[in-house]
Amino acid sequence: DAGITQSPRYKITETGRQVTLMCHQTWSHSYMFWYRQDLGHGLRLIYYSAAADITDKGEVPDGYVVSRSKTENFPLTLESATRSQTSVYFCASSGGNTIYFGEGSWLTVV
Amino acid sequence: GENVEQHPSTLSVQEGDSAVIKCTYSDSASNYFPWYKQELGKGPQLIIDIRSNVGEKKDQRIAVTLNKTAKHFSLHITETQPEDSAVYFCAGEGQAGTALIFGKGTTLSVSS
Repeated sequence: DAGITQSPRYKITETGRQVTLMCHQTWSHSYMFWYRQDLGHGLRLIYYSAAADITDKGEVPDGYVVSRSKTENFPLTLESATRSQTSVYFCASSGGNTIYFGEGSWLTVV
Repeated sequence: GENVEQHPSTLSVQEGDSAVIKCTYSDSASNYFPWYKQELGKGPQLIIDIRSNVGEKKDQRIAVTLNKTAKHFSLHITETQPEDSAVYFCAGEGQAGTALIFGKGTTLSVSS
């Protein structure tokens, strides 16, 4: 039972570089989400997707791009990374009300 | 949109004591209120949830209460144990009732 997996788990990148965080779920859940977690801010929604080819902005979408060509994958791309995007990123999925989270991707932008 | 406020931000208790974490929400149309527990280095995991048609729900040592009139809900942990130490998040429904909007979290420390 793989559930939801994120890669890479840890990444250091330089300012201005493009970075893609991958997310894969094996439950065939229709909904998928990306959150970022920062001290003092808790979990904030970046983007979410209701189904393949349907995506929508969350609370903090600026600087991020998502796509959902297949139900099981929901990659998050930072087109030009900035230091303020240093964070822990959590992918999640849901087939109903319950949201299931991945283990997180720790991203540091230097 | 929904706004969720959570208090306190940190909570320290002795083993065996009770712990209470409180949240308020802004959108009176919200109907689903889950609580998540996050252990160090891991993703958040659902521990209990409540829907607006009930006022209280229990699961062993944890319980959640909901007051829709006042728009607040609380997590109660009784007989706390060291393994209860973690960050706890409350949440309310966000846009279109799908994505969750989270409180800022409470770091619970249980000392033995």
